[in-house]
Amino acid sequence: SQQGEEDPQALSIQEGENATMNCSYKTSINNLQWYRQNSGRGLVHLILIRSNEREKHSGRLRVTLDTSKKSSSLLITASRAADTASYFCAPNQAGTALIFGKGTTLSVSS
Amino acid sequence: GAGVSQSPSNKVTEKGKDVELRCDPISGHTALYWYRQSLGQGLEFLIYFQGNSAPDKSGLPSDRFSAERTGGSVSTLTIQRTQQEDSAVYLCASSLVQAGGSETQYFGPGTRLLVL
Repeated sequence: SQQGEEDPQALSIQEGENATMNCSYKTSINNLQWYRQNSGRGLVHLILIRSNEREKHSGRLRVTLDTSKKSSSLLITASRAADTASYFCAPNQAGTALIFGKGTTLSVSS
Repeated sequence: GAGVSQSPSNKVTEKGKDVELRCDPISGHTALYWYRQSLGQGLEFLIYFQGNSAPDKSGLPSDRFSAERTGGSVSTLTIQRTQQEDSAVYLCASSLVQAGGSETQYFGPGTRLLVL
């Protein structure tokens, strides 16, 4: 199993701005997943990108994956106050546990 | 169908007592995870069950922690002789492992444990 490392640890922006969070990992993966957590409760799955994909969109979310650099980014466009949460990446290898890092804490102020 | 459920939602105990936390995964999910999250911190992996395989216990912080999964479904996390540093939110997640390793985890609401 491996753990992704999110960067930055904390991000503060204004409503309407875009938020970009990065994730780095160490070994080969089958896919990489992003999750969101509100108020210390359970994580909610946002998006999954496979190792043979380079970019994926879901609503205001855009995820990129660069397997040569072992990195991924999550872009939230036109952010809203409701996007305030912690965001976690999870690089996934077949047959191993999905392990989360410390996350990026995003604060969106109105 | 129902999601992952955990009980109790909150637990207050005295230092030195044992506690049991329960997780009911989504029916049919083969994988089950336990995590711990201290206030303001990230998720700490504790243990992973996958089907009939031996569990991955590499995240358990001490031998006071143990977990079992009966019949491939319900899981119980037991903390013996609790310490104040065990205070945290304990999260359970389940997933359906698919070919290629793609597995979306579904989380329960967590159990907030406070050790006085």
